[in-house]
Amino acid sequence: GAGVSQSPSNKVTEKGKDVELRCDPISGHTALYWYRQSLGQGLEFLIYFQGNSAPDKSGLPSDRFSAERTGGSVSTLTIQRTQQEDSAVYLCASSQRDRGNQPQHFGDGTRLSIL
Amino acid sequence: DQQVKQNSPSLSVQEGRISILNCDYTNSMFDYFLWYKKYPAEGPTFLISISSIKDKNEDGRFTVFLNKSAKHLSLHIVPSQPGDSAVYFCADWVYNQGGKLIFGQGTELSVKP
Repeated sequence: GAGVSQSPSNKVTEKGKDVELRCDPISGHTALYWYRQSLGQGLEFLIYFQGNSAPDKSGLPSDRFSAERTGGSVSTLTIQRTQQEDSAVYLCASSQRDRGNQPQHFGDGTRLSIL
Repeated sequence: DQQVKQNSPSLSVQEGRISILNCDYTNSMFDYFLWYKKYPAEGPTFLISISSIKDKNEDGRFTVFLNKSAKHLSLHIVPSQPGDSAVYFCADWVYNQGGKLIFGQGTELSVKP
């Protein structure tokens, strides 16, 4: 499709397990972003990529969180040793460039539930 | 540390009337402000944006107003339609903060027939 694609759409896992979340951005978009939305909260920035490099990782909540992007396209967000507070909807977005006049377009998210 | 606040968690309006959604921010740098609409179980959808060098931007039924002295922006939807019922987020993009958007908490709009 033409939009941002995220997989899986839902993930339920036990506390302590590792999870990988995948994002396929819109073709040609050089900038890619990860956000999360906890229950009843707004969207919280995690990390963004310009090409394959991550100029801003300031939103990652702990060293259990990491992300990579290869080939300037697909990105993977990994959470190690998951905790219950990691339960949230993880949203990926992409834009043509990392500029304010280039709106970020979002996928439908991965709903992560930690038991 | 810039913040974006949407102080009204919900708003209910009658179909055909105007909906006004409000947002306050703290940053003083050059910005873009964006409004997103979100339906349940879907990602946010971009609606309209405004540069901080402007005070108004209009796109069909949607108009965003920016009051820089008050650090306040608002989204007007007129006429409101039942399909507009969703959660609306305002977001701040700051030019010297990389690519990230700072989001408000959202306002749930309900448009009643």
